[in-house]
Amino acid sequence: DTGVSQNPRHKITKRGQNVTFRCDPISEHNRLYWYRQTLGQGPEFLTYFQNEAQLEKSRLLSDRFSAERPKGSFSTLEIQRTEQGDSAMYLCASSSPRTSGVYNEQFFGPGTRLTVL
Amino acid sequence: SQQGEEDPQALSIQEGENATMNCSYKTSINNLQWYRQNSGRGLVHLILIRSNEREKHSGRLRVTLDTSKKSSSLLITASRAADTASYFCATPSNFGNEKLTFGTGTRLTIIP
Repeated sequence: DTGVSQNPRHKITKRGQNVTFRCDPISEHNRLYWYRQTLGQGPEFLTYFQNEAQLEKSRLLSDRFSAERPKGSFSTLEIQRTEQGDSAMYLCASSSPRTSGVYNEQFFGPGTRLTVL
Repeated sequence: SQQGEEDPQALSIQEGENATMNCSYKTSINNLQWYRQNSGRGLVHLILIRSNEREKHSGRLRVTLDTSKKSSSLLITASRAADTASYFCATPSNFGNEKLTFGTGTRLTIIP
C-alpha cells in the first residue's frame, strides 16, 4: 500500500458548478478525515468518518458540502454551487487505532487543489 | 479556528545550522504532533509527544513540551536543503485523539 491517495490533484471550475473529490485511505485504516487549507494557513478540520459513519462535522462544512464514505473504504467530498471562497487545498487523512483504542498520527494524502473562477 | 501559533512565521538559515520553531496552544492536550509540508503537497507526520513526556528525539529532530506553559518546540539539527518546508504543530481537539487542530505554521528555508 502506497499511502493515502486523492483524485483529482487539481480541479479548476467555474463558480456555480459542482465538484467531487475522492480519497482512498490506507487500507487498514478505519478513520478518515477531510481538512481544508487556504494559502498561508494550517489545515482546518471539516469532517471525519469512522468506518462508514460520519461522526463529526465542522461548522465550516456548509449545506453545499457533503461527504460520504460508503462501505467504509474510499470517501467522496462534494461541493455544490461552488463559490470563489471555496478555492483551497482539500486534504484527506486516515488513521487507525493502536492497542487500547487510542488514535495517534494521521497519514495525509497529497491533496486536491480547487480553483473556482 | 487555529489552536496553535507557531513562532517564527518564517525562518531562513544556512545549511548545517540548527533550526528552532516554537508552538503555543490553548487547551489541555494529551499529545502534540509536528508535521512537515513541502510546497503544495500533503503533510508528513514527523513526531508525536505525549503530555507526560518532556522531550523526545527522532533522528535530527528534538521536540520539547511544556504543558504548564502550553508550548512546544521543534529543533532540527544540522539542517539540510531538503528540510526546506512549512512545519505545523497540531493537537487533538479533545481527549479522543480525533480531529487535529493545526497552528499557522513556520516556513523554513535552508540556504545552501
